[in-house]
Amino acid sequence: SQTIHQWPATLVQPVGSPLSLECTVEGTSNPNLYWYRQAAGRGLQLLFYSVGIGQISSEVPQNLSASRPQDRQFILSSKKLLLSDSGFYLCAWNRQNTEAFFGQGTRLTVV
Amino acid sequence: ELKVEQNPLFLSMQEGKNYTIYCNYSTTSDRLYWYRQDPGKSLESLFVLLSNGAVKQEGRLMASLDTKARLSTLHITAAVHDLSATYFCAVNTGAGSYQLTFGKGTKLSVIP
Repeated sequence: SQTIHQWPATLVQPVGSPLSLECTVEGTSNPNLYWYRQAAGRGLQLLFYSVGIGQISSEVPQNLSASRPQDRQFILSSKKLLLSDSGFYLCAWNRQNTEAFFGQGTRLTVV
Repeated sequence: ELKVEQNPLFLSMQEGKNYTIYCNYSTTSDRLYWYRQDPGKSLESLFVLLSNGAVKQEGRLMASLDTKARLSTLHITAAVHDLSATYFCAVNTGAGSYQLTFGKGTKLSVIP
């Protein structure tokens, strides 16, 4: 069966510090991968998606970047965090025309 | 641009009552998904609706899809406190139909 791992679960970072969140999927190959952000009490905002190694599409221009160095690994990064980067970050995977499966999420607080 | 609209966005209901959450979407799609999110937690898949007229039921929740009306409903029967959560609907979009566009979610509070 397929599983998705995301870490860390919680993170408190000062403004201006770098960020690296990692997500890996097991039990499948060539998944579509996604990073979503959810602000407190709000809906889901799609940040990045990837349909293959090295292929990244950005939905919202901002302070963040994503990379996919391996087939089942997706990384969300920032060189300098802003207060507005705080939120709940969710990694997800799916295949074409199917439901998405989510990781457990990372709660990021920028202070 | 695909729009997915849920209503209501907030719902407070007493235990034992029935209610329906609506999900409208703006483009042609023959599949729709419902998710549940508990506070502070990730999203959990509830229902996958794959064709017009599809109906899925689990426990006190029943979801249906009308692709012609571009409408899905999530019906709650005899609500219990454990159903308190935020419910999202989502539709495949994008050129390859792999992205999901989510509604804003319906926060359901079931009051004892």
